[in-house]
Amino acid sequence: KAGVTQTPRYLIKTRGQQVTLSCSPISGHRSVSWYQQTPGQGLQFLFEYFSETQRNKGNFPGRFSGRQFSNSRSEMNVSTLELGDSALYLCASSLDGSTYGYTFGSGTRLTVV
Amino acid sequence: QQQVKQSPQSLIVQKGGISIINCAYENTAFDYFPWYQQFPGKGPALLIAIRPDVSEKKEGRFTISFNKSAKQFSLHIMDSQPGDSATYFCAASKGGNSGYALNFGKGTSLLVTP
Repeated sequence: KAGVTQTPRYLIKTRGQQVTLSCSPISGHRSVSWYQQTPGQGLQFLFEYFSETQRNKGNFPGRFSGRQFSNSRSEMNVSTLELGDSALYLCASSLDGSTYGYTFGSGTRLTVV
Repeated sequence: QQQVKQSPQSLIVQKGGISIINCAYENTAFDYFPWYQQFPGKGPALLIAIRPDVSEKKEGRFTISFNKSAKQFSLHIMDSQPGDSATYFCAASKGGNSGYALNFGKGTSLLVTP
């Protein structure tokens, strides 16, 4: 079966702009979680969505937001980009929101210049 | 603060040797401890995982050892191969399907030399 698909794979944005990243989960999976990966901070949890509802949120500023659609696809938005937002953004899907069944996508590499 | 601490940061092992990566956690509510393997340009992939009711789990050349009282767990890669060269992350989370986050260690970059 198809894995977790993230688009685009690479993105270059200018400081102050906003960006939207997309994640299509494995078919049948209803939960999507987002993580930010940087060399300095490692992998950090952003938020989790289940059946279009945000159930859990990490310690990130309000510039980071997301949503989930009725087909379980999820988007993540970052407004007013800062240089420090440059990172690999990963999404993971699972059937029911449990971390046991997490499958990660290959990520979107965001570079802010 | 970092809820899971991982060491070493990098590791070089000869082919056929044993690679050992260690992790420690603080939150006793964690009850799921996976290890992920990540290759450049790819997302993390689940390698092996353990629950705290067992002290060891083995899958092929990969073994997790778990010490609940010390709040530590480790990954052993036996007969390490050049293809094992990757970054390894330990993680911990609460169980259940409430959307709990995975708390990751900072990763270990493993290089297996021929």
